[in-house]
Amino acid sequence: NAGVTQTPKFQVLKTGQSMTLQCAQDMNHNSMYWYRQDPGMGLRLIYYSASEGTTDKGEVPNGYNVSRLNKREFSLRLESAAPSQTSVYFCASRPGTPGNTIYFGEGSWLTVV
Amino acid sequence: EDQVTQSPEALRLQEGESSSLNCSYTVSGLRGLFWYRQDPGKGPEFLFTLYSAGEEKEKERLKATLTKKESFLHITAPKPEDSATYLCAVPPGGGADGLTFGKGTHLIIQP
Repeated sequence: NAGVTQTPKFQVLKTGQSMTLQCAQDMNHNSMYWYRQDPGMGLRLIYYSASEGTTDKGEVPNGYNVSRLNKREFSLRLESAAPSQTSVYFCASRPGTPGNTIYFGEGSWLTVV
Repeated sequence: EDQVTQSPEALRLQEGESSSLNCSYTVSGLRGLFWYRQDPGKGPEFLFTLYSAGEEKEKERLKATLTKKESFLHITAPKPEDSATYLCAVPPGGGADGLTFGKGTHLIIQP
């Protein structure tokens, strides 16, 4: 069972470069999420998509864009990477309504130098 | 403002030494309290959801309980493989989507 799959797992970027983190889920879930995790800060929501064709800002959206390509795929784009975006990024998905369990991918480690 | 506070930040136990982790929360209209386990280099792994005060759930050496203000994760006779960071989370108030997480408790079980 693949669950939530993220690529790439590791990436090093130079300041100002752009890149896209890819996420796909095979559980037929409606909602998908992008979180970042930083030491001492916990997991924070960047963007989410409640259904195909919709996206909404979370707690820390600045510097990011997202695309819900279809029901399975939800990508996160950094248009001009900054050192403050060095973090571990987690994609997640959830079936049904808020209150149901959210399932996470394995993470993408991003370093911006 | 929604808040989830976990304590202690870190806990070191001997194998077999039982203890409890705390998660206190402030949210309007609780729609569930979630516990996750996170191993180094991995994503959070779902453990339990509790929906109402008084509810309890168990899995192997772990038992989660819920009151109106906090949740406890009790670890009975832990083993080294229970070492991990344990995260607590709640859906935000007002019907918003996602989960608001605490900062976690880093648990180390020494053999």
